[in-house]
Amino acid sequence: QKEVEQNSGPLSVPEGAIASLNCTYSDRGSQSFFWYRQYSGKSPELIMFIYSNGDKEDGRFTAQLNKASQYVSLLIRDSQPSDSATYLCAVIAQGGSEKLVFGKGTKLTVNP
Amino acid sequence: GAVVSQHPSWVICKSGTSVKIECRSLDFQATTMFWYRQFPKQSLMLMATSNEGSKATYEQGVEKDKFLINHASLTLSTLTVTSAHPEDSSFYICSASVSGPDTQYFGPGTRLTVL
Repeated sequence: QKEVEQNSGPLSVPEGAIASLNCTYSDRGSQSFFWYRQYSGKSPELIMFIYSNGDKEDGRFTAQLNKASQYVSLLIRDSQPSDSATYLCAVIAQGGSEKLVFGKGTKLTVNP
Repeated sequence: GAVVSQHPSWVICKSGTSVKIECRSLDFQATTMFWYRQFPKQSLMLMATSNEGSKATYEQGVEKDKFLINHASLTLSTLTVTSAHPEDSSFYICSASVSGPDTQYFGPGTRLTVL
């Protein structure tokens, strides 16, 4: 059973702070890693994807991947109240499949 | 670009009836479409993967005779929940892929409530 684990939170940070979201996965052969943002009652929207070990930055967002530790994280700098949402980590296993396995998500609240 | 629509956005039906949900890629042709289900405070769970013109591939535990998927064209896939029961009440989300998971675009979802 391929699993993706996230702390459900809620994670609460003040506006302007750095929010750190973490995710671990069980399938060591996983190749592709995604972070989605989901507002309440809405469908997920892709924030970032990362394939290689290390950091990947896109604006205020930085994804970090450590395949040896089977760990992927998302940092949100200068957090804004509009960042308040549930953040879903998703993983694709090896083998060329496009099937995403999602974690349950971490609920983030950014307080003004 | 890369817009995926779903219709209806919400539906309420009586137990025992069937409900059809449409998923359309509006401005691109999708090689693959996916159907997910999400219960409150739970993760998105993949139900099935469909390619145009071929039978859908269902995930373990998903009843293919209950959740009928038709992928009639490169821009349209439908999910029919047959003989719906209250436990089928959920948020159903489709996604469409052009080429690879980083081009998988999600529809806005359909909230199904079965009374």
